[in-house]
Amino acid sequence: KAGVTQTPRYLIKTRGQQVTLSCSPISGHRSVSWYQQTPGQGLQFLFEYFSETQRNKGNFPGRFSGRQFSNSRSEMNVSTLELGDSALYLCASSPTPLEASTDTQYFGPGTRLTVL
Amino acid sequence: KNQVEQSPQSLIILEGKNCTLQCNYTVSPFSNLRWYKQDTGRGPVSLTIMTFSENTKSNGRYTATLDADTKQSSLHITASQLSDSASYICVAPYSGGGADGLTFGKGTHLIIQP
Repeated sequence: KAGVTQTPRYLIKTRGQQVTLSCSPISGHRSVSWYQQTPGQGLQFLFEYFSETQRNKGNFPGRFSGRQFSNSRSEMNVSTLELGDSALYLCASSPTPLEASTDTQYFGPGTRLTVL
Repeated sequence: KNQVEQSPQSLIILEGKNCTLQCNYTVSPFSNLRWYKQDTGRGPVSLTIMTFSENTKSNGRYTATLDADTKQSSLHITASQLSDSASYICVAPYSGGGADGLTFGKGTHLIIQP
């Protein structure tokens, strides 16, 4: 069974641009969640989608948005990029929603975003 | 505010030795507590998931404990190997949904020396 895949793996953008990251979950998984990881803040939860609906959202500005398609693939968009958006962006999938679930989450390898 | 604090921040031990990593959480309402291992440049990998009613769970040489009364968890690594060098992250989802869907600790950076 293929794991969680993320594209692209590396991305370089300049301030003010926007970027779209893609995540393909494990087959059969309907929950996809997104995270930002930086050396200073560690892992931070961005949002979770389940069956095309956003279930939870972390404390990030509205520049960060996402969506999920009917095949459970998800995209994350960051508009008006800032230097502080440079980070590793991870997505994870699981069969059921995060809330009150003990299902294992499987993480992808991440997309390394650098904003110049 | 939901918080997860881990200690120590970093740890260096010799190959073959045991070690214990700590995690204190203040998450309410509590759902479960998870430990992940993250190798450099890779996504985290789930080690254990513990619910309120479980106080010990093992995964090979990794054993996690949970004390729901004191809101503490520990991850014990037995007979460490060089491949155990990684960051270990404690995570506490909570069942209330909303803005803090998952609360992560900053992690313990573990280095195993030959």
